Amino acid sequence: QKEVEQNSGPLSVPEGAIASLNCTYSDRGSQSFFWYRQYSGKSPELIMFIYSNGDKEDGRFTAQLNKASQYVSLLIRDSQPSDSATYLCAVNNVDSNYQLIWGAGTKLIIKP
Amino acid sequence: GAGVSQSPSNKVTEKGKDVELRCDPISGHTALYWYRQSLGQGLEFLIYFQGNSAPDKSGLPSDRFSAERTGGSVSTLTIQRTQQEDSAVYLCASSKTGGWQPQHFGDGTRLSIL
Repeated sequence: QKEVEQNSGPLSVPEGAIASLNCTYSDRGSQSFFWYRQYSGKSPELIMFIYSNGDKEDGRFTAQLNKASQYVSLLIRDSQPSDSATYLCAVNNVDSNYQLIWGAGTKLIIKP
Repeated sequence: GAGVSQSPSNKVTEKGKDVELRCDPISGHTALYWYRQSLGQGLEFLIYFQGNSAPDKSGLPSDRFSAERTGGSVSTLTIQRTQQEDSAVYLCASSKTGGWQPQHFGDGTRLSIL
């Protein structure tokens, strides 16, 4: 059973601090990794994607991929109350050329 | 259009009725996905289209569910003889070419079965 695991949270972080969200995956052959943000009652919104080992930065967001340890992280610097949402991790299913395996999400709360 | 468009945004219907949900993907995107998300739950994959073809219908929950895509663009998800357990948010996503490209979601259709 291919799995993507995320801590459900809630993860509470003070405003201005760094929020660190983690995701582990079971299939060592996975190649594509995605982070989505989902506000309550809204649809998922793509935040970042990463294909190579290491860090990828976009504004206040950094995705970190470690294929050897099979985890991918999302760091949010200078956290704002507007960052409060559920963050979904998705990983490609190596047995399919189109399907993603989705984590259940981590609820992040940024406290003013 | 600029983004994925879904209609209706909300649908309330009586048990046993048929419903049609529509998705208009981002222009030029060949891959289209339907998902279902029940309250407080994760994403449940329903079906994938590449162009007008649906190589994978394995996620459809029962034979009451069907989907089609015409002209490589608009897709319709039909649920016949709706049941209360069909109540959920139905999400459509598209990507440029499928594969493992990023998927972009519409705002969803919130379906409530009375």
